Formats: sequence, C-alpha cells, structure tokens
Amino acid sequence: RKEVEQDPGPFNVPEGATVAFNCTYSNSASQSFFWYRQDCRKEPKLLMSVYSSGNEDGRFTAQLNRASQYISLLIRDSKLSDSATYLCVALDSNYQLIWGAGTKLIIKP
Amino acid sequence: EPEVTQTPSHQVTQMGQEVILRCVPISNHLYFYWYRQILGQKVEFLVSFYNNEISEKSEIFDDQFSVERPDGSNFTLKIRSTKLEDSAMYFCASSFSGRSGSNQPQHFGDGTRLSIL
Repeated sequence: RKEVEQDPGPFNVPEGATVAFNCTYSNSASQSFFWYRQDCRKEPKLLMSVYSSGNEDGRFTAQLNRASQYISLLIRDSKLSDSATYLCVALDSNYQLIWGAGTKLIIKP
Repeated sequence: EPEVTQTPSHQVTQMGQEVILRCVPISNHLYFYWYRQILGQKVEFLVSFYNNEISEKSEIFDDQFSVERPDGSNFTLKIRSTKLEDSAMYFCASSFSGRSGSNQPQHFGDGTRLSIL
C-alpha cells in the first residue's frame, strides 16, 4: 500500500523559532518529492521540490534520506504567515502524487 | 505568473444531479489532474490525463466520473448522479511533465467547493 505518513501536529511554535517536520514514505520506488503548504480551505501551493542532495530556499530547507525513506522540512526564523498545514507529497513510479495528511503549524506571536 | 483557474468556486447541487467542474490549466502544460479533498481529510488523487486520454485513475474514479478536454484550453470533470459523499473540494492541477525524476511539480487551481444537498 502506498503511504506517506506525517505527524498531524499541531506544532505550536513561537515566532522566530526554528521548526522541523519529517515525513516517511513507504514506496521505495517513489522518485520525486515535494512540500506543499495549504491554508485553511485553500488549494495546496507548492513550497519546494526536494532534491536528493537537499536544497534550501530562503528560510526553508528540505532534505531527502532515501535509505531511511524520509523527507524533512526545516523552517528557520518562523513568521506568523508560516502558519499553515504542510503537506509532504511523493511522486510514485506511476506518476501519481501520494499525499500525506499534513502537519499543522501554528506560529504564535 | 500563469495560474490554473477553476470555475465555479462553489457549486451547490441536489443529490442525483449531474455536475461539471471546469478547469483551465496553465497553457504550456501537458498533464492534467483532478483531486478531491473531503473536509478535514487528505488530498486524494482522482485521475490524470495526457494526450487526450486518461493515463491513470484511482479506485475513487468509477463510472460516475468522467473527464474531457473539449477544446484546447478547458479540462472538465463530470460527476453523474451525485451522492452526498461527493461533497468535497475538487482541485484541478497541471504540470509540464508527468514523468518522475524531472521534479516538475503540479500547480493547483483554487478549487471548486461542491456541496451536495
């Protein structure tokens, strides 16, 4: 069964702190991975793709560990506007996106 | 920045009726997708479409559902004989490539909220 698992949270984090979440995937044939963010009742929006070597985009860093089949997202200097649900997504060998249920992040002033 | 657009934003329909949800993918994208998200639950894949035919579909996408690309821009999802449990957000997405390894992400429309009464 194809699964992407995430801690649903919520993670309550003070503004300015660093927060990290992981997700695990069960299908070792998954090829590509993404982090999307979703605000309440809105569409998922691509935050970043996840590359094997790890990649950084401003305050966001994504890492992929194929051996352990997990993906991580690190957010530094968190802002109030980072409050959202973060969805971990794997693209499987049938080119289907397999979605995690999301991790809810709440940034508190 | 080019966007995926969906209409209507909210559709209210009586149970048993047919609905058509419309999407205009990003113009140079080749792969099109429909997803749904029941309130409070995961995003669920319904179907992918390439070269004027369905390339993949999930077990949710049964005979009640169909997709069509009637012209060069629109991509529609038709739901026949709607049921209460069809109430959800329906998201259309498109990507330039569907192939793995290319890291071509899917871009989503704002969604259509479908409410079945």
